[in-house]
Amino acid sequence: DAGVTQSPTHLIKTRGQHVTLRCSPISGHKSVSWYQQVLGQGPQFIFQYYEKEERGRGNFPDRFSARQFPNYSSELNVNALLLGDSALYLCASSLDSLGEAFFGQGTRLTVV
Amino acid sequence: AQSVTQLGSHVSVSEGALVLLRCNYSSSVPPYLFWYVQYPNQGLQLLLKYTTGATLVKGINGFEAEFKKSETSFHLTKPSAHMSDAAEYFCAAQRPDSSYKLIFGSGTRLLVRP
Repeated sequence: DAGVTQSPTHLIKTRGQHVTLRCSPISGHKSVSWYQQVLGQGPQFIFQYYEKEERGRGNFPDRFSARQFPNYSSELNVNALLLGDSALYLCASSLDSLGEAFFGQGTRLTVV
Repeated sequence: AQSVTQLGSHVSVSEGALVLLRCNYSSSVPPYLFWYVQYPNQGLQLLLKYTTGATLVKGINGFEAEFKKSETSFHLTKPSAHMSDAAEYFCAAQRPDSSYKLIFGSGTRLLVRP
């Protein structure tokens, strides 16, 4: 079975631009969570979606938004990019909102 | 507020030596606890987890961890380090009652010397 897949794997954006990151969960998983991992730090929780509804949000500004589609895939959107948004963005899927999280390989975002 | 502290951002051991990575948590409710490993340019892989029951938990690749409520600790050990164990290790906590998010420590980079 395929694991959690994220796209793209790497991208470079300019300050002020917008970016969309994509995540496909493991087949049968209905929950997707997003984490931001800045270099040298542990991942920080951004969002969780379960059954297409937002179940939780971390301490991130409104520039960050997400959604989950009927097939349970998810997008993370970041507007007005700042240099500090440069990080590895990790997606995790689980069977339900409290289940074990399985992580994807991440998307490395560099803002210049 | 829940938090996870990993003592030592870098730990260096010789191949074949004991590996000990420290993790302490702070929570009003004993949380579920996890150890993840991250290899360069990759995502996180679950090594082991503690939810309820036996406090000594065995995971993959010969790792184990012991939940000690009195010490609020969940240290990760491996009797004999292998070169392939060199990676970043993260301890994480999750409230068992209603929370959905993992709270991660800042990570410990394990270096294994030949």
